[in-house]
Amino acid sequence: EPEVTQTPSHQVTQMGQEVILRCVPISNHLYFYWYRQILGQKVEFLVSFYNNEISEKSEIFDDQFSVERPDGSNFTLKIRSTKLEDSAMYFCASKGQGTVNNQPQHFGDGTRLSIL
Amino acid sequence: GEDVEQSLFLSVREGDSSVINCTYTDSSSTYLYWYKQEPGAGLQLLTYIFSNMDMKQDQRLTVLLNKKDKHLSLRIADTQTGDSAIYFCAESTSGTYKYIFGTGTRLKVLA
Repeated sequence: EPEVTQTPSHQVTQMGQEVILRCVPISNHLYFYWYRQILGQKVEFLVSFYNNEISEKSEIFDDQFSVERPDGSNFTLKIRSTKLEDSAMYFCASKGQGTVNNQPQHFGDGTRLSIL
Repeated sequence: GEDVEQSLFLSVREGDSSVINCTYTDSSSTYLYWYKQEPGAGLQLLTYIFSNMDMKQDQRLTVLLNKKDKHLSLRIADTQTGDSAIYFCAESTSGTYKYIFGTGTRLKVLA
């Protein structure tokens, strides 16, 4: 069964450094998402992406964050200047064609980001 | 704002049924989902239900939706040790792209 893959599985970065988290969504999917889960807390929506632009973003997704689909297969989340509070598990998800809600999102295994 | 709540822990004996409950506040929720997260792994989609349905059954899984009370439950029949995991419910609303997740329920299955 096709799956969403994320790399790396664990990223350790110094505070203030830039980090790029990578995702390969399921190949025929058109909607892409990033979520994060701070340890012990809920999974929170960050951003959705469709047709090469951001469809929706949360308050968390400020100017330090950006997303990109640089080619036909990758979907990346960049944090420009990391802060301690960015430490979390980051999940990528993708969804197939259809109306917005009638296809479920499929999630990757996540990237654990640790900011020192 | 939108909120989804779950109880934090559930412990059952192997072979018993498990019932994991979820409540949500958004009356315009259109789809409700159940995901399973095993240690160190991602979010695995288990099942989902459209808001105009009351019940959905898929092998050992039964989802019940009480839209009036905004209550969703997941019943796992004949629970096995491999079912031990964290179970998240999530809701989405027509016109938005995001899921709102619950806190997750940690299910522990005792042999």
